[in-house]
Amino acid sequence: AQKVTQAQTEISVVEKEDVTLDCVYETRDTTYYLFWYKQPPSGELVFLIRRNSFDEQNEISGRYSWNFQKSTSSFNFTITASQVVDSAVYFCALSERGSTLGRLYFGRGTQLTVWP
Amino acid sequence: EAGVAQSPRYKIIEKRQSVAFWCNPISGHATLYWYQQILGQGPKLLIQFQNNGVVDDSQLPKDRFSAERLKGVDSTLKIQPAKLEDSAVYLCASSSQGANQPQHFGDGTRLSIL
Repeated sequence: AQKVTQAQTEISVVEKEDVTLDCVYETRDTTYYLFWYKQPPSGELVFLIRRNSFDEQNEISGRYSWNFQKSTSSFNFTITASQVVDSAVYFCALSERGSTLGRLYFGRGTQLTVWP
Repeated sequence: EAGVAQSPRYKIIEKRQSVAFWCNPISGHATLYWYQQILGQGPKLLIQFQNNGVVDDSQLPKDRFSAERLKGVDSTLKIQPAKLEDSAVYLCASSSQGANQPQHFGDGTRLSIL
């Protein structure tokens, strides 16, 4: 079974629109960690954020915000006032404390294209 | 701080040939990972090292893939013989020890099998 599901394969928006990338996860561990990574066309994976399972506070960093809801096993990512430079593939990932330490389970990614 | 270094950046070989990839992690990072990323998919873990010991190689096709991390620093991943389905990007990542530690990735090696 897929531990991390990103149902949106591709999203296209026009610059300055807000966009939300969905992530649903599945785990039996009570302690786990959720991550978002960005993969621009150049290929490297860039770490964006980590959330702990015991901290449901939403987080905002500039134009980026993350909404973590344990009740729905979701960890969604919103970009406000999107820009062309936000175009990339975004991956949500899960790490479980109870299994092999540090192993990341990635979703299939969401390709975001921001048009000028 | 220098990031994760990988080489080569690109590699093209014919099926049944062998190939090797090299990774130098961020200084001080005890944990090193190799991932395979097939086009249109998320990265999949192949092998994880803690210092120079293997922690998880359950997803590594051991009949053709091998990896080592001598002296607990640099690592090499080898494929011998290569198959067409091995065409992918091979990513190396490193982190401090712990499931909550973010992994930092190199630029990857894009492998094409003809």
